[in-house]
Amino acid sequence: KQEVTQIPAALSVPEGENLVLNCSFTDSAIYNLQWFRQDPGKGLTSLLLIQSSQREQTSGRLNASLDKSSGRSTLYIAASQPGDSATYLCAVLPPNDYKLSFGAGTTVTVRA
Amino acid sequence: IAGITQAPTSQILAAGRRMTLRCTQDMRHNAMYWYRQDLGLGLRLIHYSNTAGTTGKGEVPDGYSVSRANTDDFPLTLASAVPSQTSVYFCASSPSGTGRLGYTFGSGTRLTVV
Repeated sequence: KQEVTQIPAALSVPEGENLVLNCSFTDSAIYNLQWFRQDPGKGLTSLLLIQSSQREQTSGRLNASLDKSSGRSTLYIAASQPGDSATYLCAVLPPNDYKLSFGAGTTVTVRA
Repeated sequence: IAGITQAPTSQILAAGRRMTLRCTQDMRHNAMYWYRQDLGLGLRLIHYSNTAGTTGKGEVPDGYSVSRANTDDFPLTLASAVPSQTSVYFCASSPSGTGRLGYTFGSGTRLTVV
């Protein structure tokens, strides 16, 4: 069974600092990996989707890398802002299934 | 705005009562899913549907049922609610039946069973 881990569980940084969020998974046989953002009391918003054949995806200040062989993905958020405060979740999709496996998330606080 | 609509937003329900959580999407996605999110347990799949007319059981299906009569709607029914079903419920969809094109989530229904 695929296990997805996100460490640390919580992170607090001053505004302007770059954020580095980690996601690790036990089975390297994945079809894709998706990063989500969740604000308190809200739903999940998709940030980036990385297919297994890709090494990274970028959107604005966000960059996600994928290293399947080591079972890791990293989400980088450049020049963090207080509006980036949220919980960030990663989820992996196995190649022969259609059910996502989620990490528990990293809760980020960006201090003004 | 295209997306997923869930109703109600929140509900307090007496134990033993029947409840249907509604989910509608306007993106013509083939696949739809129901997840529950609990503190310390993360998101867990309850039921899914790869295409209209078909459904399947997820990780935690007991006490829940679903139907998929058409592409747009995927209601989740609790036949006889119990306190352990207190949770936040999210409906999600994906363009393909395999989920390979990514997922879109609704804003959730917060359910409290007392």
